[in-house]
Amino acid sequence: GQQVMQIPQYQHVQEGEDFTTYCNSSTTLSNIQWYKQRPGGHPVFLIQLVKSGEVKKQKRLTFQFGEAKKNSSLHITATQTTDVGTYFCAPGLLNAGGTSYGKLTFGQGTILTVHP
Amino acid sequence: DTGVSQNPRHKITKRGQNVTFRCDPISEHNRLYWYRQTLGQGPEFLTYFQNEAQLEKSRLLSDRFSAERPKGSFSTLEIQRTEQGDSAMYLCASSPRWFGSTDTQYFGPGTRLTVL
Repeated sequence: GQQVMQIPQYQHVQEGEDFTTYCNSSTTLSNIQWYKQRPGGHPVFLIQLVKSGEVKKQKRLTFQFGEAKKNSSLHITATQTTDVGTYFCAPGLLNAGGTSYGKLTFGQGTILTVHP
Repeated sequence: DTGVSQNPRHKITKRGQNVTFRCDPISEHNRLYWYRQTLGQGPEFLTYFQNEAQLEKSRLLSDRFSAERPKGSFSTLEIQRTEQGDSAMYLCASSPRWFGSTDTQYFGPGTRLTVL
């Protein structure tokens, strides 16, 4: 599978501060998904990015896919205590025919703590 | 639609015993995945099915692990002769297959296995 490195591993912020996590790969990615896992919970899908340079927004969350499709980022504006959890990036695979190839390879994740 | 369900939620067993976990995917999702997650790590792929066919099995999976999806609906994951290193959260996910991009995966709550 395609390996990715997520940084930082941990991030502590005060409520209201911004937060960014980065996902980097040494190889070109077909697409990338982002998941959030609350403490004690299971991963929940947030977004999928497919196109080079793609930017998608969900309320206070902004997701970017790099022009070279080797990196991605998640930015949260004005964090809230409900943002606490671990954020994972997971590159997906497409086979030569462009058909989805379901296995996901998760990064190590960034653990976000928000202090009220 | 009640989402992906997994049973049991917790399992404590003694080393050397066999255990079996069950996963019920979202109805009409034809892909089903098993992952394993240990503390501080992202989910690690184990195997996946498309309908009843097991399409891929991780090389990390020893012969003590076997998974089935006999009728293309629910799936079972069996671990024989459990070892303490098998202690982890076992996550199941399902997805509908659609052409051209990686499926969004919907995770169940997981089964937490503790091997004493």
